[in-house]
Amino acid sequence: GAGVSQSPRYKVAKRGQDVALRCDPISGHVSLFWYQQALGQGPEFLTYFQNEAQLDKSGLPSDRFFAERPEGSVSTLKIQRTQQEDSAVYLCASSLVGAGVEQYFGPGTRLTVT
Amino acid sequence: GQNIDQPTEMTATEGAIVQINCTYQTSGFNGLFWYQQHAGEAPTFLSYNVLDGLEEKGRFSSFLSRSKGYSYLLLKELQMKDSASYLCAFRTTNAGKSTFGDGTTLTVKP
Repeated sequence: GAGVSQSPRYKVAKRGQDVALRCDPISGHVSLFWYQQALGQGPEFLTYFQNEAQLDKSGLPSDRFFAERPEGSVSTLKIQRTQQEDSAVYLCASSLVGAGVEQYFGPGTRLTVT
Repeated sequence: GQNIDQPTEMTATEGAIVQINCTYQTSGFNGLFWYQQHAGEAPTFLSYNVLDGLEEKGRFSSFLSRSKGYSYLLLKELQMKDSASYLCAFRTTNAGKSTFGDGTTLTVKP
């Protein structure tokens, strides 16, 4: 069965470039999350969608970060004018809605800003 | 504010039992999750606790005390493949974000 997929798996960007990271959640999963994971740390919450509605974007570190999920399925995380501190693994997760439901994580996109 | 702590590293022997502790502080609570993450891979779900007590699932068990803000993950009959990072996370509502700890890197030695 298909899990959460993300593309690209690896991205190298020069400082100042814009990048777009894609997430395909599990079919039928209403909730979609983006996390940022630095080396040796746990995932840090960025933003959360329920269907196409962005219900929480409190974790986005700056206005250079933007996420969308226009049709309630595929989501894109865009980072404008990338900086070196943006280098991290960006994880996408999806889930059903309800108490106790687990999040299913994608393999992540490793972003390196040079 | 919200805070979550777990030991950075642990080492154990194949076949043994290991307990990984997690403490948290939060003003709202709607469940405690444990995930396993192998190096370079995505986290995978292990367990969920919302009520006090022990939940057992095969070789893995998880315990929660809400009044103490404390959980542990117990791994029995350790295998080499259990070498991984173990992430503790809590949720404050029944939907929405999870707040993760930095993970405990477990090394299982022969």
